[in-house]
Amino acid sequence: AAGVIQSPRHLIKEKRETATLKCYPIPRHDTVYWYQQGPGQDPQFLISFYEKMQSDKGSIPDRFSAQQFSDYHSELNMSSLELGDSALYFCASSSRDRGGTEAFFGQGTRLTVV
Amino acid sequence: GQQVMQIPQYQHVQEGEDFTTYCNSSTTLSNIQWYKQRPGGHPVFLIQLVKSGEVKKQKRLTFQFGEAKKNSSLHITATQTTDVGTYFCAGPGRGSTLGRLYFGRGTQLTVWP
Repeated sequence: AAGVIQSPRHLIKEKRETATLKCYPIPRHDTVYWYQQGPGQDPQFLISFYEKMQSDKGSIPDRFSAQQFSDYHSELNMSSLELGDSALYFCASSSRDRGGTEAFFGQGTRLTVV
Repeated sequence: GQQVMQIPQYQHVQEGEDFTTYCNSSTTLSNIQWYKQRPGGHPVFLIQLVKSGEVKKQKRLTFQFGEAKKNSSLHITATQTTDVGTYFCAGPGRGSTLGRLYFGRGTQLTVWP
């Protein structure tokens, strides 16, 4: 079965640079979530989109922005990167319209800021 | 804000021993979900509990949802080395935040042969 696909898997950036993370949700899933997971931490909710519209916003820095496109893929744009942004970034998708609340996670993008 | 607490943070067991992790929420939950994350991996959905007092089993794993829908537990009988990983409970938000998940800190399980 198709899963959530994220790219790239690994990314190394320097401070103050910009990064773009991509996410392709499971086909026919209507909701996309972005989570940030620091080392030894639990995933922290950043932002979500339902049918291409932003549906919820969590602890996402103003330096970050995200959007969902017409083909349902989503991108997380991160600017003015800081060392503290180094983390695993997960995208997840779910089918809320079909009553599914469980989230299916992608394999994540490991971002290292040096 | 909504908080989900989970204990213990770490658990080291010998293969064949049992393991339990506990989850407690500051508010009543509409449901609770459990995820497993292997080292270097991503969270994988295990199960969702919805009803008060619900108990569900998956082979050696037993999941319980408290009567007040504020706490939950995951019990693994006779652990195996394949059970290694971090187990997270997660509760959904409310209203406009219904879709997001509030994760517990997770319990990192180590199983030695």
